[in-house]
Amino acid sequence: DILMTQSPSSLPASVGDTVTITCRASQSIDTYLNWYQQKPGKAPKFLIYAASRLQSGVPSRFSGSGSGTDFTLNISSLQPEDFATYYCQQSFGTPLTFGGGTKVEI
Amino acid sequence: EVQLVESGGGLVKPGGSLKLSCAASGFTFTTYGMNWVRQAPGKGLEWVSTISSSGKYIYYADSVKGRFTISRDNAENSLYLQMNNLRGEDTAVYYCARGYNWNYGPEDYWGQGTLVTVSS
Repeated sequence: DILMTQSPSSLPASVGDTVTITCRASQSIDTYLNWYQQKPGKAPKFLIYAASRLQSGVPSRFSGSGSGTDFTLNISSLQPEDFATYYCQQSFGTPLTFGGGTKVEI
Repeated sequence: EVQLVESGGGLVKPGGSLKLSCAASGFTFTTYGMNWVRQAPGKGLEWVSTISSSGKYIYYADSVKGRFTISRDNAENSLYLQMNNLRGEDTAVYYCARGYNWNYGPEDYWGQGTLVTVSS
């Protein structure tokens, strides 16, 4: 199975900050990397696919990059609604696997 | 508008069975792969199973293989998860999620989830 490791697990931040979340795969997954946002008590929201492609309707302050084993999610000019937990996921092969999550908190 | 509505969750004893359903609307159901993803209380996301658009290809996490069965009824725009021999570690919110394409891949729309609690 492909292990996905996110860091940090917790990320203190303030409104207006730019934050970076890292996701590392245990083997090369090309650009088969996706990002989700989840708020407490809610279903995950699809943000980015293929490492860098923004899902329709997602604000442009979100961006993703990387290929192979190392990936990043950047959120520029953090807004109050961005405080949430973020998960990476590989869809290179089954079983699909998620990272452990990064909680962006005030 | 894409809508996914799960039902069928509840309290079940260890070793028991439960069948989850997901009613889909707002898109051409027969075009998309469908997924179940779960989240144990206070934990992260865990992919459970995927079924391709036609139902021909099916994939399971090792943790549920042999106990869970995913299926779909394209005439009824519905997705199912039959869960047998349930264990305490199956306790989670189960989400129905639409695949981004016809087979496995990212999940672009999610239902609100249904809670399954396995406890004596």
